[in-house]
Amino acid sequence: RKEVEQDPGPFNVPEGATVAFNCTYSNSASQSFFWYRQDCRKEPKLLMSVYSSGNEDGRFTAQLNRASQYISLLIRDSKLSDSATYLCVVPRGSSGSARQLTFGSGTQLTVLP
Amino acid sequence: DVKVTQSSRYLVKRTGEKVFLECVQDMDHENMFWYRQDPGLGLRLIYFSYDVKMKEKGDIPEGYSVSREKKERFSLILESASTNQTSMYLCASSFGSDNSPLHFGNGTRLTVT
Repeated sequence: RKEVEQDPGPFNVPEGATVAFNCTYSNSASQSFFWYRQDCRKEPKLLMSVYSSGNEDGRFTAQLNRASQYISLLIRDSKLSDSATYLCVVPRGSSGSARQLTFGSGTQLTVLP
Repeated sequence: DVKVTQSSRYLVKRTGEKVFLECVQDMDHENMFWYRQDPGLGLRLIYFSYDVKMKEKGDIPEGYSVSREKKERFSLILESASTNQTSMYLCASSFGSDNSPLHFGNGTRLTVT
């Protein structure tokens, strides 16, 4: 299994739709996980951190399933401004090397009017 | 808010030139990283540093070196630029603890001709 694997996308959804992305990871020692958002030709920006079973922030919900080693990101009521690439990010290794993060290849989302 | 500043947004250099990419962070972060991002390959770790004067190779260090003389500054050096080093370069920083999220600069798009 790859260190971090994401849905390849692209996802094209209408405004107002609910969309979910999945991400699987291979390092069972990982303690926390992140979703980043990257707009075209810009730097990645932290969207959400996930430290336990899940996290919710407004329209965004991240869920963690440690047994199956996957994380998901759910976006409700999609807005045009949600169009971006979403990166799943997992720390490498255990203590010490967990400062290094491995980035998934990203899932592209386009929200259509 | 964390601020990570990269000295140049766009840079054009000739093959064989020595190139310096500078990165400064203002949050007293222990960890600093250099990534490159290419279409289809995602973010790849070049070098990182957990402390002043300390550096470690990432996944693709060949053709690069780094310098961290002060805590807030992490420089990436291309000893002799080549066309295959044309890329988007992203600097990031994070707190010293494991599982800390990264904060990115806005990137330097380097073209080597």
